[in-house]
Amino acid sequence: QVQLVQSGAEVKKPGASVKVSCKASGYTFTSYGISWVRQAPGQGLEWMGWISGYNGYTNYAQKVQGRVTMTTDTSTSTAYLELSSLRSDDTAVYYCARDVLAVAGTAPGYWGQGTLVTVSS
Amino acid sequence: ENVLTQSPATLSLSPGERATLSCRASQSVSSYLAWYQQKPGQAPRLLIYDASNRATGIPARFSGSGSGTDFTLTISSLEPEDFAVYYCQQRSSWPPLFTFGPGTKVDIK
Repeated sequence: QVQLVQSGAEVKKPGASVKVSCKASGYTFTSYGISWVRQAPGQGLEWMGWISGYNGYTNYAQKVQGRVTMTTDTSTSTAYLELSSLRSDDTAVYYCARDVLAVAGTAPGYWGQGTLVTVSS
Repeated sequence: ENVLTQSPATLSLSPGERATLSCRASQSVSSYLAWYQQKPGQAPRLLIYDASNRATGIPARFSGSGSGTDFTLTISSLEPEDFAVYYCQQRSSWPPLFTFGPGTKVDIK
């Protein structure tokens, strides 16, 4: 079965960077894209960007463009999200989610468990 | 930017009742509209993609309809486990770009 297992919670100071991992199993990693979505405490869902599992092509949301880097390691079927210049309003649960279909950019259908990133001085 | 609006913000219903949730886009999204359910402390769960396709394992009481700018999620008869927040999401065809609506909370009356 499809599983996405994310790395553990992080606490970072303002201005620092954080890197969250998302290890995939149960499917062919290179056949699907992965989105990253975050959710601030008590708030709604915010899409941050998408990466192709096939060739690493990325498309980022304008709000985080310039601070976000998404990468993949196909040898370990792992996707990574790195966010730099952290601010307090980056405090959120970060989710990775795989496209529901093997067609690039379909709805995120399988989700990781989430990683809480807390930004605090 | 395509903005999604969901109504109502809160829907108070009893188990067994029919729930009708609305999602409206500021520009046409064709059929590229999905619905998610989220319970406290859990990741979102995909219910419907491309307006009317039920995701794997989703019960038949969940159905989606609409195209263009107006979409509806219908829960034909609410089960106790259906009380949650529901989000709609639109996607572009290429490059992949997604936007979520603000959510509708379905709570117990």
